[in-house]
This record gives sequence, structure tokens and C-alpha cells, in this order.
Amino acid sequence: DIQMTQSPSSLSASVGDRVTITCRASQSVANYLNWYQQKPGKAPKLLIYYASSLQSGVPSRFSGSGSGTDFTLTISNLQPEDFATYYCQQGYNSLCTFGQGTKLEMK
Amino acid sequence: QITLKESGPTLVKPTQTLTLTCTCSGFSLTTRGVGVGWIRQSPGKALEWLALIYWDDEERYSPSLKSRLSITKDTSKNQVVLTMTTVNPVDTATYYCALRGNSFGYFDDWGQGTLVTVSS
Repeated sequence: DIQMTQSPSSLSASVGDRVTITCRASQSVANYLNWYQQKPGKAPKLLIYYASSLQSGVPSRFSGSGSGTDFTLTISNLQPEDFATYYCQQGYNSLCTFGQGTKLEMK
Repeated sequence: QITLKESGPTLVKPTQTLTLTCTCSGFSLTTRGVGVGWIRQSPGKALEWLALIYWDDEERYSPSLKSRLSITKDTSKNQVVLTMTTVNPVDTATYYCALRGNSFGYFDDWGQGTLVTVSS
């Protein structure tokens, strides 16, 4: 099965900053990499699918890139509502592995 | 409008079998390409995918939990049922069901989740 590794596991930043979260797959997932945002007590929300496609309604300050085994989620001009936990998930096969999450905290 | 809602016991004793139901609306479980999955999250931990069932009854399971899981669907009720045998306290988690209705492998819509506690 494909393992997904995110880094860092936590990150401190300030409003207005630009942050990058990395996700690495144990084998190629082509572009089948998705990103979610989760806030406490809530279900995850899809941000980016197929590595770089922005889900409808998601602000353009969120962007994704990468292919194969290495991917990044970038948030530009951090807003107060962006402080949350972010997960990557591979959609390459039906064993829908998630990364271990990156908690974005306010500095 | 697509909705998914999880239901089941909030408290289960160790060694018992847990049965959770996901009631779906706004889409059909028989539509080509549709899948419904179960994902759980232990308190303070990461999301963990458990199982997935497709429109054509194809089933997929997390390798680490495969021996304890069963996923089925009732198309007459538009429900997906997850059964987990021999639960123990580490199975305490919020259990989500989610729609996977696309070719990119992402979960489009999620239920609100249901917290299940395993304790004697």
C-alpha cells in the first residue's frame, strides 16, 4: 500500500505569511493527490484535487503543485480562517491513504 | 443537495461488534462511478481511511484492518453499512462516511461524523 508522509507536522505562521506544506508518497501517484482542510470538530473540506486543481469556492490563495511522489500545498497571504489542520490523500488507487496531517498554528 | 449522515451506537464494549450506517441523499449508490467510504479519526489523531464500496459492489479495505471490517450497501434505502468486529479502546474515534464520486479519487462530500467510544 502507498504511504503518505507530510512535513512539517506542525507549523507556526502569522496572518499575511506564505506557507508551504509538503506531502511525499512512497511510490508514484501520478497527479492523483488531494488536499483537505480540517477545523476542530468539523469534517474535512476539499481544497485541491488532482495535485493542482482548485475546488470550487476555495480562495485562490490556496494552490497545489507536484507530481509523482512529491507535492506541495501553498497558502499565500494567510488569513485568520486558514489556521487549521491540512491533510493530503492519494487517489491513485482505491486504498485512499491520508497523510498524518500538518497543524497550522498562529504565531 | 448531497448529504451523508452517520448513525450508530455512541458506546460499545470491548470485543463487541460495531455497526455504523451512512444514510445518503441527493445521489444514488447505483450511479456508475459512485463510491462511499468510511474514514475515522481518533481523538487528536490523523484521518484514517477504513473501507470503500463502489456502485458495482466492489469493496476495498485498509490492509491493516481488513480482517475486522465489512462494508455493504442497501440500495433500497440508499445506505452504506460498516461493520467492525472485536472492537477495543483504540477504535474510539469519530467515524465519517464520505462520497467518492469522481475519477480523481477525492472525497467530494462528507457526513458530520459520529463519535464512537469503546469502553467497558
